[in-house]
Amino acid sequence: ETGVTQTPRHLVMGMTNKKSLKCEQHLGHNAMYWYKQSAKKPLELMFVYNFKEQTENNSVPSRFSPECPNSSHLFLHLHTLQPEDSALYLCASSLSTGQGDEQYFGPGTRLTVT
Amino acid sequence: GESVGLHLPTLSVQEGDNSIINCAYSNSASDYFIWYKQESGKGPQFIIDIRSNMDKRQGQRVTVLLNKTVKHLSLQIAATQPGDSAVYFCAENKNTGFQKLVFGTGTRLLVSP
Repeated sequence: ETGVTQTPRHLVMGMTNKKSLKCEQHLGHNAMYWYKQSAKKPLELMFVYNFKEQTENNSVPSRFSPECPNSSHLFLHLHTLQPEDSALYLCASSLSTGQGDEQYFGPGTRLTVT
Repeated sequence: GESVGLHLPTLSVQEGDNSIINCAYSNSASDYFIWYKQESGKGPQFIIDIRSNMDKRQGQRVTVLLNKTVKHLSLQIAATQPGDSAVYFCAENKNTGFQKLVFGTGTRLLVSP
C-alpha cells in the first residue's frame, strides 16, 4: 500500500447525479493532486493543492469541483457529468509541490457515467 | 489502473532478459524526468527519476538514460521478472521549480516465464 487511499473504488452514476470521490493520505504530505486516466488519453493532471490551497487548475470543466479541507483529505465533487468523463480518477500526494518530491498515488476510482 | 483502450506499445520479453522501454518527450525546457510503473488495479508507482544535468542514473535493477539532444528517455530493466509485468510511463516536468508532470502514453511490458 502507498499510504494513499481512495473511495469508492468503483462508481457508476447517471448524468444528472451528484457524487463525490474521496482521497486520504496518511503520509504527512502537504501537496495533493487529482489526475484523470482515460481510455483515450495519457494520464492528465487536473488539480493541485498545496497546504489546502489550490495552486493548479488544468482547465478542468466546472462540473468537477475539488475540495481540500485539510492536508490529509481531498475530495472531487461531481455533477452533471458526461459519458466522456468515464475514466479512472487518481489521487496523489507529495511532501511538497517542489520538483523532486515523489508523488504517491492511490489505487484510483473507476468512474462510469451512463 | 490500466490505460484500457489506449493503443499501448507492447514489449514482450522472456524472464531473465533485459528490457528497454523508450520514451520521447516533447518539451526541450523539461529538466526533470520520472519513470512510473502501473500494475493492474493500482495507481502508478515511482521507479526512478533523473535531472537534465545527468545522462544516466542507476537504481536497483533499473537504469534510466537521458539523451537531451534527441529528447529521448529510456528505462532499462535488468534480469526482467514476471513481477515486472505492468504499464510503464515516463513523465516530464518543465523547469518551473514545482511539479506539473506531463505523462506519456505508456508501454505495456509482458514478461513470460
